[in-house]
Amino acid sequence: KQEVTQIPAALSVPEGENLVLNCSFTDSAIYNLQWFRQDPGKGLTSLLLIQSSQREQTSGRLNASLDKSSGRSTLYIAASQPGDSATYLCAVNQGAQKLVFGQGTRLTINP
Amino acid sequence: DAGVIQSPRHEVTEMGQEVTLRCKPISGHDYLFWYRQTMMRGLELLIYFNNNVPIDDSGMPEDRFSAKMPNASFSTLKIQPSEPRDSAVYFCASSPRRGRGGETQYFGPGTRLLVL
Repeated sequence: KQEVTQIPAALSVPEGENLVLNCSFTDSAIYNLQWFRQDPGKGLTSLLLIQSSQREQTSGRLNASLDKSSGRSTLYIAASQPGDSATYLCAVNQGAQKLVFGQGTRLTINP
Repeated sequence: DAGVIQSPRHEVTEMGQEVTLRCKPISGHDYLFWYRQTMMRGLELLIYFNNNVPIDDSGMPEDRFSAKMPNASFSTLKIQPSEPRDSAVYFCASSPRRGRGGETQYFGPGTRLLVL
């Protein structure tokens, strides 16, 4: 059974810092991996999707990497801003559109 | 597009009552998903549909839960009878048709259910 783990569970950093969020998964047979953002009381917003054949994806200040063989992905946020404060979830797609989610990392950016 | 629409946004009910959650997916999307999010278990897939047909309901916790998709623009998740342990946030999501690699899923704002 696929298990997705995110470390750390919570992270607090001052504004302007670069930071890395980690995601690991136990079964490397995945089709893609996605990073989502969830604001309090809201739904999830997709940030980046990396296909299994890709190594990384970039969108603005966000960069996500994927090492399928080792079962790891990272989300790099450059020049963090208070508006980046949210919970970040990674999810692996094992096929047929079924996503398995990690528990998330709650990120706080302090002004 | 208005995105995925869910109603109600909040529901408070008493144990034993029937609860119906509603979802309108993004127009043109072929896949619809129902998820449940709790502090203990995180986000779990309950069931998903492709072209209005249920494909995988292995995540539905028990027979008290049922889901339908009578047409491409509407789906319901029903709990009957409801129990306090069903208290959670229920999300609906949709995605467009794509190859087996999957496509980004678009989430609704969720329904926060509290069963007393």
